[in-house]
Amino acid sequence: QVQLQESGPGLVKPSETLSLTCTVSGGSISSYYWSWIRQPPGKGLEWIGYIYYSGSANYNPSLKSRVTISVDTSKNQFSLKLSSVTAADTAVYYCARGSYGSGPWGQGTLVTVSS
Amino acid sequence: QSALTQPASVSGSPGQSITISCTGTSSDVGGYNYVSWYQQHPGKAPKLMIYDVSNRPSGVSNRFSGSKSGNTASLTISGLQAEDEADYYCSSYTSSSTYVFGTGTKVTVV
Repeated sequence: QVQLQESGPGLVKPSETLSLTCTVSGGSISSYYWSWIRQPPGKGLEWIGYIYYSGSANYNPSLKSRVTISVDTSKNQFSLKLSSVTAADTAVYYCARGSYGSGPWGQGTLVTVSS
Repeated sequence: QSALTQPASVSGSPGQSITISCTGTSSDVGGYNYVSWYQQHPGKAPKLMIYDVSNRPSGVSNRFSGSKSGNTASLTISGLQAEDEADYYCSSYTSSSTYVFGTGTKVTVV
């Protein structure tokens, strides 16, 4: 079955760019939407954005100026970049299949923003 | 976009039914039949329980059901079981072609 795995640095300095990759295994990245969702410690879920395998993307308006989601079909991966991070961006970041996370989801990866 | 409004907590006894509300606006919940519900146990990734207001993915118990009236969607859990104790989130498509989550509800089985 399809499985997703997030990877990337667990610690990012303030004002720098957070970069995460989601690797899809057990199935093709083609013909689907893929999304990023985050959850600050002890808080609720926040939809970050989605990308279609063809490359078209849409983002949360509150993050749009800082977010870029891209896809690499040759590697069966899609990625998240969030620039100018602050402590408020500390969260567990999840990748998921579907524009709204219909599933499956990755296990999530904690990214802490701290100097 | 503002988060959809859910009650912070709902509780019930084993075997009872509970309902969680999710209130938005005509630009999200009220405008589209694209409301989803997720269950999240501590330390785990969310799991889709309902999509498109009232549809259950394969493998989800029929004790979970969804509905919508106006700007408010609802998730009902019937025959409450200990394993249903978790956080629940709603989500809706919006007029900006984006998605927004609810504030989350902690369900306690007492």
